[in-house]
Amino acid sequence: KAGVTQTPRYLIKTRGQQVTLSCSPISGHRSVSWYQQTPGQGLQFLFEYFSETQRNKGNFPGRFSGRQFSNSRSEMNVSTLELGDSALYLCASSLAGAGDGQPQHFGDGTRLSIL
Amino acid sequence: QQQVKQSPQSLIVQKGGISIINCAYENTAFDYFPWYQQFPGKGPALLIAIRPDVSEKKEGRFTISFNKSAKQFSLHIMDSQPGDSATYFCAASKVGYAGGTSYGKLTFGQGTILTVHP
Repeated sequence: KAGVTQTPRYLIKTRGQQVTLSCSPISGHRSVSWYQQTPGQGLQFLFEYFSETQRNKGNFPGRFSGRQFSNSRSEMNVSTLELGDSALYLCASSLAGAGDGQPQHFGDGTRLSIL
Repeated sequence: QQQVKQSPQSLIVQKGGISIINCAYENTAFDYFPWYQQFPGKGPALLIAIRPDVSEKKEGRFTISFNKSAKQFSLHIMDSQPGDSATYFCAASKVGYAGGTSYGKLTFGQGTILTVHP
């Protein structure tokens, strides 16, 4: 069974631009969560989608948005990029969610660098 | 406000030794506590998880100990091996239920870099 696939693996952007990251979950998984990982702040939850609906949201500004398609694939968009947005963005999928007995499977992330 | 505090930041043990990583949480509503292992260039991978209704869970060389009254939980790696060298994260979430499914957002600790010397 293929794992969680994130594309692209690496991305370089400049301040003010916008970016879209993609995540294909494990086949059959309906929940997709996004996390930001930085050396200073660690792993922080961005949002979770289930059946095309955002079900949970972290404490990030509105510049960070996402969506989920009918095939459970998800995209994350960051507008008006700032230097502080440089991070590893991780996508995780699970059958139903990050709860009881529902392990989340992480992809290897997209490394976003802002110049 | 950091809700899950993890220690130590780094840990060096000899092959065959016991590695112990500790976490403390503040939110008493948390009811799911997983541990993740991350290798360089890879995403985190679930190692083991526990619910607060048990005080200990063991899977192979990995054991979680949970102290609900102290709001603390720890990961013990027995017979540590060089292949265990990685970054370990504890996490916690409050499980919600909707539409017949469970959900929750993970709050992670800051991570522990474990190095096991041969």
